[in-house]
Amino acid sequence: DAKTTQPPSMDCAEGRAANLPCNHSTISGNEYVYWYRQIHSQGPQYIIHGLKNNETNEMASLIITEDRKSSTLILPHATLRDTAVYYCIVRGYNNAGNMLTFGGGTRLMVKP
Amino acid sequence: GAGVSQTPSNKVTEKGKYVELRCDPISGHTALYWYRQSLGQGPEFLIYFQGTGAADDSGLPNDRFFAVRPEGSVSTLKIQRTERGDSAVYLCASSAFMTPDTQYFGPGTRLTVL
Repeated sequence: DAKTTQPPSMDCAEGRAANLPCNHSTISGNEYVYWYRQIHSQGPQYIIHGLKNNETNEMASLIITEDRKSSTLILPHATLRDTAVYYCIVRGYNNAGNMLTFGGGTRLMVKP
Repeated sequence: GAGVSQTPSNKVTEKGKYVELRCDPISGHTALYWYRQSLGQGPEFLIYFQGTGAADDSGLPNDRFFAVRPEGSVSTLKIQRTERGDSAVYLCASSAFMTPDTQYFGPGTRLTVL
């Protein structure tokens, strides 16, 4: 699976959009971009995933660049409960059952 | 609906003892994963089950670690002769067998070896 690079930490004001970047310059054509987050003392929580197109769900939006070498997770109106470590994971798709390889993630602090 | 559950939530044991950690996956999920998370680190893969069989156990650190899933649902992670370095949060995840599949995690078991 391709390696990802994320900033170690970010701050965001409550109510503002949080934009979390991820670089995955070695991504290959059949690899998906997944985002998970982990709130303190909880298990990782699935947020969203995508292949080529931008994706949106009730939690967030995922913007993938045309060359697929980077992506941005957008939390449109961050709340204090969004404070967590956010992991960007590139995942190969030869078959179901591939493990998730977690990097260091971005520690997002949402401030009042 | 019910998510992945893990028991116990906390386990304290003494060095050299044997422990079992249990995972109940989401109903109907055929794939089950175990991960281990040390303080300040991201989760690390241990083992993956598809049904009853271990399809990939490449992440198990040594032969003191073993996991079973005899009926294709509940899984137990077993650690023999525990060492202080085994202290970590043990996470379980499950997914439906489909492409792409999304793994859903339980709350974890915090293991402390004294």
